[in-house]
Amino acid sequence: DAGITQSPRHKVTETGTPVTLRCHQTENHRYMYWYRQDPGHGLRLIHYSYGVKDTDKGEVSDGYSVSRSKTEDFLLTLESATSSQTSVYFCAISESAQNYGYTFGSGTRLTVV
Amino acid sequence: AQSVTQLGSHVSVSEGALVLLRCNYSSSVPPYLFWYVQYPNQGLQLLLKYTTGATLVKGINGFEAEFKKSETSFHLTKPSAHMSDAAEYFCAVSLYNFNKFYFGSGTKLNVKP
Repeated sequence: DAGITQSPRHKVTETGTPVTLRCHQTENHRYMYWYRQDPGHGLRLIHYSYGVKDTDKGEVSDGYSVSRSKTEDFLLTLESATSSQTSVYFCAISESAQNYGYTFGSGTRLTVV
Repeated sequence: AQSVTQLGSHVSVSEGALVLLRCNYSSSVPPYLFWYVQYPNQGLQLLLKYTTGATLVKGINGFEAEFKKSETSFHLTKPSAHMSDAAEYFCAVSLYNFNKFYFGSGTKLNVKP
């Protein structure tokens, strides 16, 4: 996963607390994405960004917010964590997804208890 | 809306046997098609992609896939399975000028000795 780092790799948090996951890239790619992966559902898009301060919702955005103040960082915040948000979260980057596809981070395993 | 269907959440083959993982998509316009592989506790890696041109595309590790527009399919094959091919495989679709992916729910490939 050269050029893209997710932190933390693992986190356990309590219901109702806010949680922020970080994605950092060194590739200077324009597009950044947050997905969650759950058994039987594949990967589902939460939010994505097409530039600094330019973000949009994906198919499962409720309960999540994002921010991108710098090209290299894309933050995902769970405003008030719930057990249904227990999942593995992947960040992806792309120069142009159509032609090049994504480069994925190693994932963050989040458990909400 | 776009959708991606992967038939068979689990596929088991013997080492040396043919691997066939099925992917069908629904799209009103010609899509870009991708296969990703995920090894345990890792992010997704691009295996191969179809954007334009030749409909039979070759990827890493001896995998190939053929885009069949009439069947709206993009099945992944490998002539001879190896133990190291055991992983989860995801088919994904993106559309021209549309920098988001839709993923299938994944197929776990088991390779028996």
